[in-house]
Amino acid sequence: QTVVTQEPSFSVSPGGTVTLTCGLTSGSVSTTYYPSWYQQTPGQAPRTLIYGTNSRSSGVPDRFSGSILGNKAALTITGAQADDESEYYCVLYLGGGVWVFGGGTKLTVL
Amino acid sequence: QVQLQESGPGLVKPSETLSLTCGVSGYSISSGYYWGWIRQPPGKGLEWIGSMFHSGSTYYNPSLKSRVTISVDTSKNQFSLKLNSVTAADTAVYYCARHWVSKNHFDYWGQGTLVTVSS
Repeated sequence: QTVVTQEPSFSVSPGGTVTLTCGLTSGSVSTTYYPSWYQQTPGQAPRTLIYGTNSRSSGVPDRFSGSILGNKAALTITGAQADDESEYYCVLYLGGGVWVFGGGTKLTVL
Repeated sequence: QVQLQESGPGLVKPSETLSLTCGVSGYSISSGYYWGWIRQPPGKGLEWIGSMFHSGSTYYNPSLKSRVTISVDTSKNQFSLKLNSVTAADTAVYYCARHWVSKNHFDYWGQGTLVTVSS
């Protein structure tokens, strides 16, 4: 069974840049997996950040960007702010009408 | 503005059926898009359950497919989730969302509702 992998945790300094990744236990992520990214703070519903690898959802600041880095999808936050401290989830389309969430990355800004 | 709101019992007994409804406002379900369910056990990550188009086309998570039914009621502009034979492992916050299948992402989310499976 294919599993979508994410770093369990990451930290970044205020104003710094951080790249979170989203991979597969078997194989490489490409644009054909249509990676999307979601931000979730405790007690809140997820918020859509990025879809289709690098398209920003409406209202999302341009300091959030998506890409493919090597064999993984990536979410880069440039100029991190305190309220970016959240859990970040990626979703990959595995084909055959199946979408899978990664386990999430807890981002700390300190 | 598209808004979604989950409703249903917060407590379900083991082996029974979990039933939730998602009311949609600001958009007509019959106009397009898929409509989906995602869940999150306490302290854990998100899991896609399944999605349905108003015409009846459905996609289900293979690991849950045998227990899940998603249906749409266009007259009430709402869609529903049924998960049968529940166990404590099905305790989670359940979210409904609009699933933009052609762009492969969930673009609008409900606030979520906690369902606890316990006797």
